[in-house]
Amino acid sequence: NAGVTQTPKFQVLKTGQSMTLQCAQDMNHNSMYWYRQDPGMGLRLIYYSASEGTTDKGEVPNGYNVSRLNKREFSLRLESAAPSQTSVYFCAGDPGNAANYGYTFGSGTRLTVV
Amino acid sequence: GDSVTQMEGPVTLSEEAFLTINCTYTATGYPSLFWYVQYPGEGLQLLLKATKADDKGSNKGFEATYRKETTSFHLEKGSVQVSDSAVYFCALRYGGSQGNLIFGKGTKLSVKP
Repeated sequence: NAGVTQTPKFQVLKTGQSMTLQCAQDMNHNSMYWYRQDPGMGLRLIYYSASEGTTDKGEVPNGYNVSRLNKREFSLRLESAAPSQTSVYFCAGDPGNAANYGYTFGSGTRLTVV
Repeated sequence: GDSVTQMEGPVTLSEEAFLTINCTYTATGYPSLFWYVQYPGEGLQLLLKATKADDKGSNKGFEATYRKETTSFHLEKGSVQVSDSAVYFCALRYGGSQGNLIFGKGTKLSVKP
């Protein structure tokens, strides 16, 4: 099915380990986003990419890096995982910057750092 | 800055009850407004939207009207079902380079049979 695909769906890391969360979309979206969702905090924007080749920091970028590999793929990397990064991570795509469009979200990656 | 405020949950209702989830916003311009729904264990899905004042968005029996005079976009449904149990997010966005979605913190709805 067309949409936004995230891998893996679940992951457990030890403190200090690194990993990359993958996101791919087949909707020809220009913009892509990474959010984290924590209880009582709603969704917080980590990084976004307005177009291929560009990335920008969001509200909570510390401890993360991103790569917009091509138009389809936008990965999120944790270089040295910390327990505070235990969260559910969502990737989203957006066809453009038009106000009347909403985002399409992936199903999430549930990350636990022990 | 621009922001979205939702009523705090959780909201617990019996099946067939009337639902209102309040959403108000602070905006410097005239954004589009959205409601997203997140079912347990899933990502967010767009439920409905309205792009200008007095527009009504509707989907799956839910509706919300863009009220510029009260800066509100309250979500309503006349008769909820157990399957409506989810977290609901209100959001706004502008177009152009500053067009990222701004979300409220979400309201959890539980519907009991």
